[in-house]
Amino acid sequence: DGGITQSPKYLFRKEGQNVTLSCEQNLNHDAMYWYRQDPGQGLRLIYYSQIVNDFQKGDIAEGYSVSREKKESFPLTVTSAQKNPTAFYLCASSIRDSWGRRTDTQYFGPGTRLTVL
Amino acid sequence: SQQGEEDPQALSIQEGENATMNCSYKTSINNLQWYRQNSGRGLVHLILIRSNEREKHSGRLRVTLDTSKKSSSLLITASRAADTASYFCASEGGFQKLVFGTGTRLLVSP
Repeated sequence: DGGITQSPKYLFRKEGQNVTLSCEQNLNHDAMYWYRQDPGQGLRLIYYSQIVNDFQKGDIAEGYSVSREKKESFPLTVTSAQKNPTAFYLCASSIRDSWGRRTDTQYFGPGTRLTVL
Repeated sequence: SQQGEEDPQALSIQEGENATMNCSYKTSINNLQWYRQNSGRGLVHLILIRSNEREKHSGRLRVTLDTSKKSSSLLITASRAADTASYFCASEGGFQKLVFGTGTRLLVSP
């Protein structure tokens, strides 16, 4: 099966601890994205990566970090600096436009619900 | 905030009725996309309309785009209970990323 997997589905952490959310895709997509969704809200972009070993900050990158060492994997670390980390986190991937100028359809994973106690 | 806005925030209809959702965005775009999200799940892509298109159909879905008004609408015809979900528009403005709207929660009652 081709697709995007996120693990775990539910994650609980104590305040002050860093936590890493996993995102893996076998769609051979170059571009990958991390979004945060709060209850009743739309998605806000945290970080995105158009190619291996390169990534850019999105609209709400403070308190988060990412790495892109492999094409298939784009893990997100929620650090203790993130003031309100409890949220639903969604990972997505897409085919990268040849000229790097636009993105079309994004394919989403099932999400990880993080609760900080 | 760069987020788009959707209207209405919530919509409740009976099976068989049509559902119309509207989306406004803030910058010029290459394309506008609509996604569906079932409660607690990831998003699923429904349809994409490019900036040089005015209307597009896919099954029971009809999307329109008015770039002069920076707005789009999604029409679901002959709604079914299984259409119950949240629907999001997302605008693509040339920076390789999507800007999502705030979403419309659709409830279709049998």
